[in-house]
Amino acid sequence: KNEVEQSPQNLTAQEGEFITINCSYSVGISALHWLQQHPGGGIVSLFMLSSGKKKHGRLIATINIQEKHSSLHITASHPRDSAVYICAVKRAGGGNEKLTFGTGTRLTIIP
Amino acid sequence: NAGVTQTPKFQVLKTGQSMTLQCAQDMNHNSMYWYRQDPGMGLRLIYYSASEGTTDKGEVPNGYNVSRLNKREFSLRLESAAPSQTSVYFCASSVRTDNYGYTFGSGTRLTVV
Repeated sequence: KNEVEQSPQNLTAQEGEFITINCSYSVGISALHWLQQHPGGGIVSLFMLSSGKKKHGRLIATINIQEKHSSLHITASHPRDSAVYICAVKRAGGGNEKLTFGTGTRLTIIP
Repeated sequence: NAGVTQTPKFQVLKTGQSMTLQCAQDMNHNSMYWYRQDPGMGLRLIYYSASEGTTDKGEVPNGYNVSRLNKREFSLRLESAAPSQTSVYFCASSVRTDNYGYTFGSGTRLTVV
């Protein structure tokens, strides 16, 4: 079983819909990252969380440390949000900054 | 623009050939990483360097070597390429004082035939 599981694997929605992507992990962590990978392949860091909630524009990320679960929400979705969204965790302990990645959620927003 | 620069963007190799993927960052980050991305799998760590002068193996180091030339540059070498090394390779960097924020390069798509 992967240490980081994302759901759904694929998501197609109409423009304007509220989107939720989920990430569950099975190890103790010190931080969780949400990343965006566009069709061109580049990877951009969206959020880094260790507790609570963060918001940036139409994107909201939440984390529940006790339940080992995080969600990424997109409000008023737009075709330009179409991308692969990747969850990654930094294990607790140790001095290094290595991440363990989920396999990603492919989001397609239809105009 | 500040960031992580990877070269080349695309490369086709024949089995047994060697090549070096170059990566440089200008953000004064201490840590640098090489990941590979394969269909249906999450990014997997090949090697990382926590600071200048140190390197350590990740999950999938076999068939690769790395050099942390200085604080800015971290290269990945394939000594004898194999078809199993066909993948997209990403370099990344991070800094502890930025609470482990990550910056990724744009990727290198490598095909070994």
